[in-house]
Amino acid sequence: ETGVTQTPRHLVMGMTNKKSLKCEQHLGHNAMYWYKQSAKKPLELMFVYSLEERVENNSVPSRFSPECPNSSHLFLHLHTLQPEDSALYLCASSQGFGTLGTEAFFGQGTRLTVV
Amino acid sequence: SQQGEEDPQALSIQEGENATMNCSYKTSINNLQWYRQNSGRGLVHLILIRSNEREKHSGRLRVTLDTSKKSSSLLITASRAADTASYFCATRVTDKLIFGTGTRLQVFP
Repeated sequence: ETGVTQTPRHLVMGMTNKKSLKCEQHLGHNAMYWYKQSAKKPLELMFVYSLEERVENNSVPSRFSPECPNSSHLFLHLHTLQPEDSALYLCASSQGFGTLGTEAFFGQGTRLTVV
Repeated sequence: SQQGEEDPQALSIQEGENATMNCSYKTSINNLQWYRQNSGRGLVHLILIRSNEREKHSGRLRVTLDTSKKSSSLLITASRAADTASYFCATRVTDKLIFGTGTRLQVFP
């Protein structure tokens, strides 16, 4: 257990569905991240939230919509996805920024399949 | 944008041998971190080295950092079959933590 919990672990959805991924951290961290990991591709940083404010959006398509209601919870809302969005979605949290930034703790990921 | 690249992409060794992985990055960093990932699971942090440090040890792990060359290396000594996994470097730049392409390590018994 890393202190970061992601649900669900597996998700199969059609291209017209709307679903949400949930991430919860019990570590008191002030930064949370969404990453996408596709087969044979590097981890892609999608979104960064620091102190519940979004500070990074790496040109992610609008069909992915993040939400950070408080410092412990992070959501990724999905709608009208494409098959190429099938991937492992990883949530992580860390404490501090810049030179004080610590290591990240990762959840186990949600394996998403878009059919 | 991709920050780090790792070399080699894949490495196969026998138990007891040492494994060395290299990471290169492009911009100035606050710190550099190494992670391990077993197949299809979350990443686990191994070690963090700050930009003003040159070498760090943790158990069988040794990490070096050369900020002038923008590179780092991870050495795993006396490898075990259980070390089989993918290893990633990650660079912290302000609020972002950006990962490299990873090295797939296989250790044969």
